[in-house]
Amino acid sequence: DTGVSQDPRHKITKRGQNVTFRCDPISEHNRLYWYRQTLGQGPEFLTYFQNEAQLEKSRLLSDRFSAERPKGSFSTLEIQRTEQGDSAMYLCASSFKEQFFGPGTRLTVL
Amino acid sequence: GENVEQHPSTLSVQEGDSAVIKCTYSDSASNYFPWYKQELGKRPQLIIDIRSNVGEKKDQRIAVTLNKTAKHFSLHITETQPEDSAVYFCAATAPTTSGTYKYIFGTGTRLKVLA
Repeated sequence: DTGVSQDPRHKITKRGQNVTFRCDPISEHNRLYWYRQTLGQGPEFLTYFQNEAQLEKSRLLSDRFSAERPKGSFSTLEIQRTEQGDSAMYLCASSFKEQFFGPGTRLTVL
Repeated sequence: GENVEQHPSTLSVQEGDSAVIKCTYSDSASNYFPWYKQELGKRPQLIIDIRSNVGEKKDQRIAVTLNKTAKHFSLHITETQPEDSAVYFCAATAPTTSGTYKYIFGTGTRLKVLA
């Protein structure tokens, strides 16, 4: 499969737990983006990598959120001490020119 | 700060009619404007895009127009079909502090094509 993949597709967790999501971009894409999408809204930018460098992080992003792309290939997004307000779809996208999205990880915090 | 406004939020058209969705952006440095279609429970799919050096681009029943002066761009779908029913998002690039760019998305338009 040559598309963007994400794992897991669904995650249910209890408030206060930590969660980690993985994104595997299209192999030749050097740019990788994380977004959050809630019902009825467009994707909201969280952070951006060019190769392994994290070049931009949303001002709205809590310090409970951290992302890595250690070898410039796959990326992980970790949320510590989850809150109910973190419940959303977390989308990853990669690009060389055009941006392509993964299927998302739907997070539910109980 | 950077912002993309999208209208209307919902749009119903009869099959065969045209649909137009409009977006405005705030950052004059924006230079790339993609449109995505998102069906229920699926990922956003790129359907067409336009760069700031052109005013119009067409791909079969879909076209996008750009007015840089007014900071407007629009999606036009002609001869709509029931399978065009989805949520459509516009986006615009915005420069980042690192000298690269990120994407700012509109809030979406739910298009319903009535058979």
